[in-house]
Amino acid sequence: EVQLVESGGGLVQPGGSLRLSCAASGFTFSNYWMHWVRQAPGKGLVWVSRVNSDGSSASYADSVKGRFTISRNNAKNMLYLQMNSLRAEDTAVYYCARESWSSNWYVDNWGQGTLVAVSS
Amino acid sequence: DIQMTQSPSSLSASVGDRVTITCRASQSINNYLNWYQQKPGRAPKLLIHAASTLQSGVPSRFSGNGSGAEFTLTISSLQPDDFVTYYCQQSYRTPPTFGQGTKVEI
Repeated sequence: EVQLVESGGGLVQPGGSLRLSCAASGFTFSNYWMHWVRQAPGKGLVWVSRVNSDGSSASYADSVKGRFTISRNNAKNMLYLQMNSLRAEDTAVYYCARESWSSNWYVDNWGQGTLVAVSS
Repeated sequence: DIQMTQSPSSLSASVGDRVTITCRASQSINNYLNWYQQKPGRAPKLLIHAASTLQSGVPSRFSGNGSGAEFTLTISSLQPDDFVTYYCQQSYRTPPTFGQGTKVEI
């Protein structure tokens, strides 16, 4: 069974940093591209970042570019999101998500999410 | 960025009703369109990918249609478990973008 378990969320002051982790199991992690998607309280889904299967290439939403860094450790089956210079508008549940592909790509598995709250 | 617009934003229906949700892209995205269902407090769940391919395990009352810039999600007979929120998402261009969501209410 595919499992994605996020951790590392919490309350942080504006300007602070946080690192989210996602532990993957039940599949060959190194074969899949992975994403972070966030959802502010009461709002919709917003894509944050994506990393390719070997970690050599990443892309980011404009709103987090230069502040967030996605990375992975395939030996440990772990995905990370380093978040720096946090702002109030970064407050959200952050989901780790696995990308799959047939004739297009889609997210077929999501973690349960971890809440990040940015407030003084 | 490609903008995704869902309509309606919310709808009221009853058990057994047939409902259709529309998703429009700001440009053609071929069939690079996915649908997700999200229950309150839970992670999204994939329903349909490539506009019309039903994800394994998803009930056949869900169907998707469309290509280019206009897509629909149809639930043929609403069940109590279906009164939640639905999102479309394009995977044609980076950044991938979601619709704002459609909440199906009793």
